[in-house]
Amino acid sequence: KQEVTQIPAALSVPEGENLVLNCSFTDSAIYNLQWFRQDPGKGLTSLLLIQSSQREQTSGRLNASLDKSSGRSTLYIAASQPGDSATYLCAAPASGTYKYIFGTGTRLKVLA
Amino acid sequence: DAGVIQSPRHEVTEMGQEVTLRCKPISGHDYLFWYRQTMMRGLELLIYFNNNVPIDDSGMPEDRFSAKMPNASFSTLKIQPSEPRDSAVYFCASSTLKISYNEQFFGPGTRLTVL
Repeated sequence: KQEVTQIPAALSVPEGENLVLNCSFTDSAIYNLQWFRQDPGKGLTSLLLIQSSQREQTSGRLNASLDKSSGRSTLYIAASQPGDSATYLCAAPASGTYKYIFGTGTRLKVLA
Repeated sequence: DAGVIQSPRHEVTEMGQEVTLRCKPISGHDYLFWYRQTMMRGLELLIYFNNNVPIDDSGMPEDRFSAKMPNASFSTLKIQPSEPRDSAVYFCASSTLKISYNEQFFGPGTRLTVL
């Protein structure tokens, strides 16, 4: 059974800092993993999707890595800005399905 | 593209009433997902469809919940009768394997309050 865990649950950093958000999953037989951003009271915005054949994916200041053997993914945010403040969620599929299991998210606050 | 469209955005109803939530997926997407988000339980998958056919409804909490997808551009999630514990934000998402390797795109959600 797929379980997805995100650590830390909350993070507060000063503007300009580089930071890493962690996502762990128990079933490594995944075909992809997706990172999302959610602003308060809003829907989820897709940030990055990493296919199982990839080790990392980049979009602007964001870089996501995937290590299936250790059951871990990280989201690296470079030069953080107050506008990055949001909750970040990762999702991995249950083995052999398109049923995505979400972590509980990391609530990020970037201080100006 | 307009993205995933959900209606209504907010719904307030009284216990025992029927509630119908609507979703229009992104054109060309052949997977549609219904999720529920609460503070206590986080984001949970209720049901998903592929080519309008329900594939996995194991997340549907009980028989009061039902979902349909009569065509590729429309889906409904119905709660009858509604109860206060159904209060949550309900999201619809769509995806396709053909272009974006099943990257999921979410709608803005429907905030449901059952009094």
